[in-house]
Amino acid sequence: AQTVTQSQPEMSVQEAETVTLSCTYDTSESDYYLFWYKQPPSRQMILVIRQEAYKQQNATENRFSVNFQKAAKSFSLKISDSQLGDAAMYFCAYRNLLGGGSNYKLTFGKGTLLTVNP
Amino acid sequence: DGGITQSPKYLFRKEGQNVTLSCEQNLNHDAMYWYRQDPGQGLRLIYYSQIVNDFQKGDIAEGYSVSREKKESFPLTVTSAQKNPTAFYLCASSIDPGSYNEQFFGPGTRLTVL
Repeated sequence: AQTVTQSQPEMSVQEAETVTLSCTYDTSESDYYLFWYKQPPSRQMILVIRQEAYKQQNATENRFSVNFQKAAKSFSLKISDSQLGDAAMYFCAYRNLLGGGSNYKLTFGKGTLLTVNP
Repeated sequence: DGGITQSPKYLFRKEGQNVTLSCEQNLNHDAMYWYRQDPGQGLRLIYYSQIVNDFQKGDIAEGYSVSREKKESFPLTVTSAQKNPTAFYLCASSIDPGSYNEQFFGPGTRLTVL
């Protein structure tokens, strides 16, 4: 079974600074998807960024980018120019590419609570 | 606007009662999912459905039941057999289970056992 580990329960960053959230995962699969979801105080889960494991190029979405290291099974999220609205719980998630059935489920880490200080 | 609605937002249950959480989507998605979120934990999959009239158990299905009679609806019943039902419940959907497309989430239901 796949597992996702987020080793930083809490992080803080100053407004306009850069912060990196860590995520490692364990899988025996070679093809899969990785996601970062954001859960603000409203508790609505919002997709931040996603990465296909077969793509070597790191995904970017505006101020959000990832550092995907397949061999190390690492998938960190970098937030540049942090804004107050970035304050939220961030979850790393894994999904198999193939297999059908429950292989399509998302496996989540326990989350990192990000605080943005003005 | 397309999206996922969950009701109620807050739900209180007495010991021994069954309660049903509603999840409706108008995104025309085939796949729907129920997750449970506990403090300090990530989301854990309860049940999922890839198509109407079909559903499968997830990792923590004991004490829960679902139905999928319509594409738009995927209600979750928390039965009295669920020993610790107090949690935040999230419903999600995706275009189809095998695609790259993301899962979209509803706003959640907070269930508290009195």
